This record gives sequence, structure tokens and C-alpha cells, in this order.
Amino acid sequence: GAVVSQHPSRVICKSGTSVKIECRSLDFQATTMFWYRQFPKQSLMLMATSNEGSKATYEQGVEKDKFLINHASLTLSTLTVTSAHPEDSSFYICSPALADAQDTQYFGPGTRLTVL
Amino acid sequence: QKEVEQDPGPLSVPEGAIVSLNCTYSNSAFQYFMWYRQYSRKGPELLMYTYSSGNKEDGRFTAQVDKSSKYISLFIRDSQPSDSATYLCARWGSSASKIIFGSGTRLSIRP
Repeated sequence: GAVVSQHPSRVICKSGTSVKIECRSLDFQATTMFWYRQFPKQSLMLMATSNEGSKATYEQGVEKDKFLINHASLTLSTLTVTSAHPEDSSFYICSPALADAQDTQYFGPGTRLTVL
Repeated sequence: QKEVEQDPGPLSVPEGAIVSLNCTYSNSAFQYFMWYRQYSRKGPELLMYTYSSGNKEDGRFTAQVDKSSKYISLFIRDSQPSDSATYLCARWGSSASKIIFGSGTRLSIRP
């Protein structure tokens, strides 16, 4: 499978600060990037979908001004959690993909965010 | 009603047993069905995907789809402790690019 990296793997921050999570697809060019959130013992919930060079499309209930997504290149996407609150504590997982190819959607190792 | 329903478990079986994991879905437009394995604090990894009804085998794993009853299953033969993980079923439809996941079933294989 493809290699996907996320940085940082774990972050602890104070309430009100902003946190940036990087996702890199290391051996293929991702035309589409999915960002998921996973709360403990729950499934992955899609937050947003972005295509390289375009604005992200957010799922219902996800605040676009709070979760800023940048997909500036085919190998890098970032998710910034702005003014983080304790309820934002979660496991964030990126998933770069080639468009509309269900067998080429790979997942990053995830970033565990804890907001104090 | 959730689009993909999955029993969260946990499910605990002895080593060597056959494991059966199941999901149901509600939307007939779904075309692709996948099973992912997720170890603790890791991202999910794709195990198998199927398109049509019937069985698909890969080593000790068999994925089964019954579109008439909207039921998908994953069977694990000769289960090993290393199979202990959360298993997520998912669907993907041709009209949309996003994957919808089930809630995941936590599986534990006892040595």
C-alpha cells in the first residue's frame, strides 16, 4: 500500500490555541484528500473533502472556519484546528486518494489531539 | 437509520476459531463494499473490497456480499492473536467519492 505520513502523531495543547496537522502522501500524487475524525470507540466520520488547488467541501455540521484545510499540492495537505476546545480532542486521520478509486484510498497513521 | 450498521462488539474468540463479522446497509445505490482493519491508535488499512454479490477470498479472509438482503460479512479462518483489532465495514457508491464507515467491531483473539 501507499505510504502516508502525518505530523505530529500526537499533540497536546491549551484551549484557545490553534493546531496544524500535516498529511503527506509519500509515493503517489493525491488528487483528492479526505479528512476524518474519530472519537474513542467510534467510527471514522468524514469532515471534509478537498481537491488539489480547490476549496474544501465540508460535511454537514463541520465548521469550515474552525477546521481550515489547505491542499496546496498533490502530496501535502494540512488541517488547522483553530481556537481548539476540549471537545475538539479526537483522532484526526487524513486519507489521500486518486479520484474515484476505492482501492487507492489510503489512510494516514492519525494524529491524536488533546485539548486541555 | 444509519447508512451502514455494524455491531460494535467487543467480540472475543479463542485462537484458531472462525470469526464472522457482519454489517447491514440501507442504500441500494452502494456499489463497493470494503473491510478495513484498524489497530489501536493507528489509521485503518484496507483488507478487502468487493463489488458484486458473492464471495471473495484472500488468504484466511473471505468477504461476502448479499445485495438482496443488504448484508455484508467478513470471515476470518484460523484466527490469530495478531488479528485482534477493530474491523470496519464501509461502502462506497459510484455517485460519490466519500466512503461511509460502520461503527467498527472490536475483535479480540485469545491465545
